[in-house]
Amino acid sequence: GAGVSQSPSNKVTEKGKDVELRCDPISGHTALYWYRQSLGQGLEFLIYFQGNSAPDKSGLPSDRFSAERTGGSVSTLTIQRTQQEDSAVYLCASSSDTLSYEQYFGPGTRLTVT
Amino acid sequence: SQQGEEDPQALSIQEGENATMNCSYKTSINNLQWYRQNSGRGLVHLILIRSNEREKHSGRLRVTLDTSKKSSSLLITASRAADTASYFCATGTSGGYQKVTFGIGTKLQVIP
Repeated sequence: GAGVSQSPSNKVTEKGKDVELRCDPISGHTALYWYRQSLGQGLEFLIYFQGNSAPDKSGLPSDRFSAERTGGSVSTLTIQRTQQEDSAVYLCASSSDTLSYEQYFGPGTRLTVT
Repeated sequence: SQQGEEDPQALSIQEGENATMNCSYKTSINNLQWYRQNSGRGLVHLILIRSNEREKHSGRLRVTLDTSKKSSSLLITASRAADTASYFCATGTSGGYQKVTFGIGTKLQVIP
């Protein structure tokens, strides 16, 4: 079956512009996660969704970052007024439910802020 | 903050040799997982070991868990060039949901 997809795969934007990153989880997966990975670093947790609600937003680095999920499926991560330090690969993952630890990852979106 | 810390951060071996990576963590966990990442993109789940297990095998992979030392190891036997990737440990805890926290990874290079 189809895996997790993300779009765009690459995004180059100018400092100060807003960007939207999209994640399509595996159909039927209720849990969805966003992570950020800077060059050569580990994964930094950003936000967790269960259905359409986000019980854990603790990883969002600033109020410039927001995310939503609609219909219990597609999620969008929005970064407003991008800064150069926002440059990273943004990874989305989904899992079947809150009791499942195994996460299925998308290929990521590489964001470059110039 | 990172829960798991992998050691070494980089490892280079010849094809056919075994590769061992270690992971240490700080807090109590329900389980520990290992993931592989190729070319800095999506991660692939390799294996999960629960806190009440000590050893688990999957193909050429062997994972051990020592909860008293808060550490785990991943052994890849008879390595292949295709095993070249970054390997991450991830600890699972309960806190309303099954939160998984990733370490910084070990970069493995297998030389043909």
